[in-house]
Amino acid sequence: NAGVTQTPKFQVLKTGQSMTLQCAQDMNHEYMSWYRQDPGMGLRLIHYSVGAGITDQGEVPNGYNVSRSTTEDFPLRLLSAAPSQTSVYFCASSSFFSLSGDSIHEQFFGPGTRLTVL
Amino acid sequence: QKEVEQDPGPLSVPEGAIVSLNCTYSNSAFQYFMWYRQYSRKGPELLMYTYSSGNKEDGRFTAQVDKSSKYISLFIRDSQPSDSATYLCAMSASGRTSYGKLTFGQGTILTVHP
Repeated sequence: NAGVTQTPKFQVLKTGQSMTLQCAQDMNHEYMSWYRQDPGMGLRLIHYSVGAGITDQGEVPNGYNVSRSTTEDFPLRLLSAAPSQTSVYFCASSSFFSLSGDSIHEQFFGPGTRLTVL
Repeated sequence: QKEVEQDPGPLSVPEGAIVSLNCTYSNSAFQYFMWYRQYSRKGPELLMYTYSSGNKEDGRFTAQVDKSSKYISLFIRDSQPSDSATYLCAMSASGRTSYGKLTFGQGTILTVHP
């Protein structure tokens, strides 16, 4: 299993350009999420999905769009890039299950995409 | 005020020291409490997981949750240079629509020097 994969690893954009960050998982997880990580801010949730066709906003959704047409893929679209969107973006997937009576939902993270907007 | 507060450090300790990492939170709905470890230029990896209050031990790591004080801790015994990383606390509420949503602390940068 490849786990959670993200492409590209690095990207430089100019202000106003659009692009799509790709995320795929091969673990048949129902939950997928996008986070951004900025210095001193931890990870902040952008959008998440609880299954194919179902998405919702997180803490910082402005400027981003998502869709979930399949269980495996959850792309993140930047509509018109701004310097404030310079960040490291992480995709994660998880599945809720019970293990020895303890209910857990471990999120597995991809390696991240480092985005710079000039 | 952020829902989850974590001292970003940085924290530098000698090898063999006991490390204490802490987070406070304000949302009473949080039921699941996690600690993630993130090495430089990598994605976070789950280290410890606790549901509701109590302690959990896994080798050199102990996670504690005190819901009455809205305070969680991670203790690392006999710290090793390989423990040098950023440690992030994370929390979520229960319920189907909450499982994909984690709220993270700012992360604490830990360095264990030989």
